[in-house]
Amino acid sequence: EAQVTQNPRYLITVTGKKLTVTCSQNMNHEYMSWYRQDPGLGLRQIYYSMNVEVTDKGDVPEGYKVSRKEKRNFPLILESPSPNQTSLYFCASSYAGGPYNEQFFGPGTRLTVL
Amino acid sequence: KNEVEQSPQNLTAQEGEFITINCSYSVGISALHWLQQHPGGGIVSLFMLSSGKKKHGRLIATINIQEKHSSLHITASHPRDSAVYICAVRVGTNFGNEKLTFGTGTRLTIIP
Repeated sequence: EAQVTQNPRYLITVTGKKLTVTCSQNMNHEYMSWYRQDPGLGLRQIYYSMNVEVTDKGDVPEGYKVSRKEKRNFPLILESPSPNQTSLYFCASSYAGGPYNEQFFGPGTRLTVL
Repeated sequence: KNEVEQSPQNLTAQEGEFITINCSYSVGISALHWLQQHPGGGIVSLFMLSSGKKKHGRLIATINIQEKHSSLHITASHPRDSAVYICAVRVGTNFGNEKLTFGTGTRLTIIP
């Protein structure tokens, strides 16, 4: 089944404790992206990747890191999480051309930073 | 002012009614997406448009590039259409900067 998977789905952590949210897709998509969704603000793009070893900042990259060492995986790293990073996070992928193609979304990761 | 504005923010209608959700943007774009977010949180892509009109089942999406406006229509609405509908745009026409900018969504509730 074609899908985007994220892990964990739910995470409660404390300020400053490094964490990684994994994202994997099995559709051989070149483009992958991370978003956060907050009430009243909607979805905002954190980072995106056009292909392996190619990443770029979205609109809200501060406090986040990403890497794209393999085509199927695009982990989101919070080196020192803070409470303002409490949010619902979505990973998405699409074929080359990114925003010019249908986006496939993961199920979301709800993160709470205490 | 947000680059992408959706209206209405909330919409409640009776089953069977014709639904229209609007998306206006203030900058030049090269692609526009309509997404559906289910009550459980999952997001599904409905349409990607760069011009004209697309139809899938009871859903129709249109875009007017000159007027910087897109609409999503649902015919014969059903309670299972209850969801948040989100408009997203790829700003600009030059390559590079391949990111999406989102509206804040329209919450649709269809009453049986």
